Amino acid sequence: ETGVTQTPRHLVMGMTNKKSLKCEQHLGHNAMYWYKQSAKKPLELMFVYNFKEQTENNSVPSRFSPECPNSSHLFLHLHTLQPEDSALYLCASSHGRDRAGYTFGSGTRLTVV
Amino acid sequence: AQSVTQLGSHVSVSEGALVLLRCNYSSSVPPYLFWYVQYPNQGLQLLLKYTSAATLVKGINGFEAEFKKSETSFHLTKPSAHMSDAAEYFCAVSDRRGATNKLIFGTGTLLAVQP
Repeated sequence: ETGVTQTPRHLVMGMTNKKSLKCEQHLGHNAMYWYKQSAKKPLELMFVYNFKEQTENNSVPSRFSPECPNSSHLFLHLHTLQPEDSALYLCASSHGRDRAGYTFGSGTRLTVV
Repeated sequence: AQSVTQLGSHVSVSEGALVLLRCNYSSSVPPYLFWYVQYPNQGLQLLLKYTSAATLVKGINGFEAEFKKSETSFHLTKPSAHMSDAAEYFCAVSDRRGATNKLIFGTGTLLAVQP
């Protein structure tokens, strides 16, 4: 267990479904991140939250909707996804501007059918 | 803008041989640099980091990396590979602009260890 917990670990959803990914950390970090990891592509930063406020959205399609109710929880709401959205979605947290780097969760393996 | 380049998407070594994974960075400010390891179906785990202290950084599992400003490099090494080192390794540089230390990752190097 890394200190960052992601649920579910695996998710299969149809293109018309609505589902949510959950990320939780109790490390006292103030920043949380969503990354997308697709086969043969670099890690793509999707969203950044700092003290619950979204500070970055890297031109992510609106079918991905993040939510950060507090500094310990981060959600990614999914709707009307496409097969190319199938990937490993990684959540990470950090202290913001300090030097420690990120702590990652184990990821959610998403398959869109 | 900050970026990292990992040379070699696949590296194969024999068990007991030296491991060398290459990373070059580009940064407009003194960089923070990181190496992460990812095992199959897992998230990324921090191996080691450079944050402007000692240029030779030791990490977990016997890995170390040396920051060389003149070469803009931060290569990862391990004297003797073990089968359990087979994984994907990512180099990252911290973009220290803004309110958070945003990490910019390289494309990764998949390390295979042959018996």
